[in-house]
Amino acid sequence: NAGVTQTPKFQVLKTGQSMTLQCAQDMNHEYMSWYRQDPGMGLRLIHYSVGAGITDQGEVPNGYNVSRSTTEDFPLRLLSAAPSQTSVYFCASNQLSGSSGNEQFFGPGTRLTVL
Amino acid sequence: AQSVSQHNHHVILSEAASLELGCNYSYGGTVNLFWYVQYPGQHLQLLLKYFSGDPLVKGIKGFEAEFIKSKFSFNLRKPSVQWSDTAEYFCAVNAWPGGKLIFGQGTELSVKP
Repeated sequence: NAGVTQTPKFQVLKTGQSMTLQCAQDMNHEYMSWYRQDPGMGLRLIHYSVGAGITDQGEVPNGYNVSRSTTEDFPLRLLSAAPSQTSVYFCASNQLSGSSGNEQFFGPGTRLTVL
Repeated sequence: AQSVSQHNHHVILSEAASLELGCNYSYGGTVNLFWYVQYPGQHLQLLLKYFSGDPLVKGIKGFEAEFIKSKFSFNLRKPSVQWSDTAEYFCAVNAWPGGKLIFGQGTELSVKP
C-alpha cells in the first residue's frame, strides 16, 4: 500500500491565484481530513470528510473548499490564495471503527508559499 | 468544544536525561489519545495511542504515556533520551465516536549530545 499520498510537495503561488492540493489514500479509509501546520500553533483542522459525498468544516475552513467524490480522493482547493495561507498542509485518513480506532495516517505534506 | 493543551513549547535536554511532556485535554466523554512525533523535515508518525484498558501505554522507541482520567492528562515519558529524539511532539485527542482529531500546539524537543 502507498498509504496517503499528496501532490505537489512544494508550491509557490501569487496572491489571488487558485490551486488544488491533491490527496489520495489506498487503505479504504472512510475518514479523511486536511490540516495546516504553522509554527507554534500545532496542526489545525481545515476540513474533513466521513465518507464519499460528505464533508464538513474544521477549525479554520475559510478560504478553502473540499469535495469527496470517491473514497480514495480528497482534494483541497484554495479559491484565491492569500499570504496568510502560507503553510504546510497535511492530509490524513483513518478508519472510523475497528481495532485501530481512529489512528490517523498522514501524508508527506505540501509546503505552500503565497507571495 | 474539545481542546488540547501542551504545557511546554520548547524543551532542551542532554542525552540520557529523562523526559516528561505534559498534555491536558478538555472533553468529558470517552476519548482516544495519541502522541505523534515529527522529525525535522518529515511528516507525522504515531508514537503511541490509548483507546481503552491499561492506562499506561508503551509505544515505539522506548516512549510511554500514562492516561489519568481524573486529571484529563496524557503525559509522554522516556527514561533516557537520545540525540535522535530531537523532534516536535504532538498530543492529540479524538472524542469517541467520530473522526475529528484535535492537536495540541506541539512541543519542540532538542537533545544535546
